[in-house]
Amino acid sequence: KAGVTQTPRYLIKTRGQQVTLSCSPISGHRSVSWYQQTPGQGLQFLFEYFSETQRNKGNFPGRFSGRQFSNSRSEMNVSTLELGDSALYLCASTPMDVSNTGELFFGEGSRLTVL
Amino acid sequence: AQSVTQLGSHVSVSEGALVLLRCNYSSSVPPYLFWYVQYPNQGLQLLLKYTSAATLVKGINGFEAEFKKSETSFHLTKPSAHMSDAAEYFCAVRSGANSKLTFGKGITLSVRP
Repeated sequence: KAGVTQTPRYLIKTRGQQVTLSCSPISGHRSVSWYQQTPGQGLQFLFEYFSETQRNKGNFPGRFSGRQFSNSRSEMNVSTLELGDSALYLCASTPMDVSNTGELFFGEGSRLTVL
Repeated sequence: AQSVTQLGSHVSVSEGALVLLRCNYSSSVPPYLFWYVQYPNQGLQLLLKYTSAATLVKGINGFEAEFKKSETSFHLTKPSAHMSDAAEYFCAVRSGANSKLTFGKGITLSVRP
């Protein structure tokens, strides 16, 4: 099985712009979670989607949004970028079947630099 | 509410020495516990997980962890460090299969020749 795929891997934006990141989960996985990783704050939970519905949400401003499509692929969007949004954005999927033990399978991340 | 505490940000050991990375958790219900490893410029890889079966959990690359409910701990150990173990290690807790996964701050492990 292919792993979690995130695109793009690297991108550079300027303040005020917006960005969209994409995540394709492992085939058969129905839940997708997003995390922001920075040196100062570590791994911060952004949101989780299951069956196209946001099920959990972290403490991020409304500039951060996401969605999930019927094929379980997910996107996250950050509008009006700030310098502090520079981070590695990690997507993770989980099967959410009866054997689910809650482990996440991570992609390699999208590294966003805001100038 | 759930949380994870990983004391310290950096641990350095000699090659061949014991690796001990500490993790304490807080959870209002019996938790699922995980250790992940992250190598530079990569995502997180699962090392091992505790899901209420055996309290001593064995993972990949020779790592193991012991769930101690009385101490609310889930420390990660490896008897003999290898240079390839140098990475960042994260402990994580989930209070139930459908709650979010909460990570600790992470610990950077360095291995000296």
